[in-house]
Amino acid sequence: GNSVTQMEGPVTLSEESFLTINCTYTATGYPSLFWYVQYPGEGLQLLLKATKADDKGSNKGFEATYRKETTSFHLEKGSVQVSDSAVYFCALSDHSTGFQKLVFGTGTRLLVSP
Amino acid sequence: DGGITQSPKYLFRKEGQNVTLSCEQNLNHDAMYWYRQDPGQGLRLIYYSQIVNDFQKGDIAEGYSVSREKKESFPLTVTSAQKNPTAFYLCASSMPGKADTQYFGPGTRLTVL
Repeated sequence: GNSVTQMEGPVTLSEESFLTINCTYTATGYPSLFWYVQYPGEGLQLLLKATKADDKGSNKGFEATYRKETTSFHLEKGSVQVSDSAVYFCALSDHSTGFQKLVFGTGTRLLVSP
Repeated sequence: DGGITQSPKYLFRKEGQNVTLSCEQNLNHDAMYWYRQDPGQGLRLIYYSQIVNDFQKGDIAEGYSVSREKKESFPLTVTSAQKNPTAFYLCASSMPGKADTQYFGPGTRLTVL
């Protein structure tokens, strides 16, 4: 079945460091890909998405490019801030059951120190 | 402001008791979802509803029940049959045909003592 694999965390960085969180997927067809973010004590928020190969999603300085050849959707940010500390979930849209649903990775916790 | 509310934020129950988690949305969304979040396992779909008076089992529906009598409301009951109910529960909603863009509530942390 369709699945998403994320790098294990936590990822610990100093403020203004470069961030990469790896995400790879297994899917039949061509799913849409997403990054959701969960701040402490809150629900998830959509951060960015890409709907087809070579698309780049971007928001709040974060970027991710849909790479069909490597089945990847890695999240990057050039300079992280303390306020970016959160759990980041990679997800794909799954249409295999006739109902469109999201399949989530296990999440990667990011900790940014001043 | 439009959004999804879940209550309570923290809930404690004794083992063997049923408990109902509330989820309300004023986004006029037709579809609603319940997820369970456990450490290291991401989110798993419990139940979903695409329209009022209709709902379907997700990947881990055993020990849970839902109802969808109103568009705005999708309560989840955790029954005594759920073997490991302690978890963080998230409710979400989406526009029809837009299940890829879901709006999440703040969650309810259930602890069974």
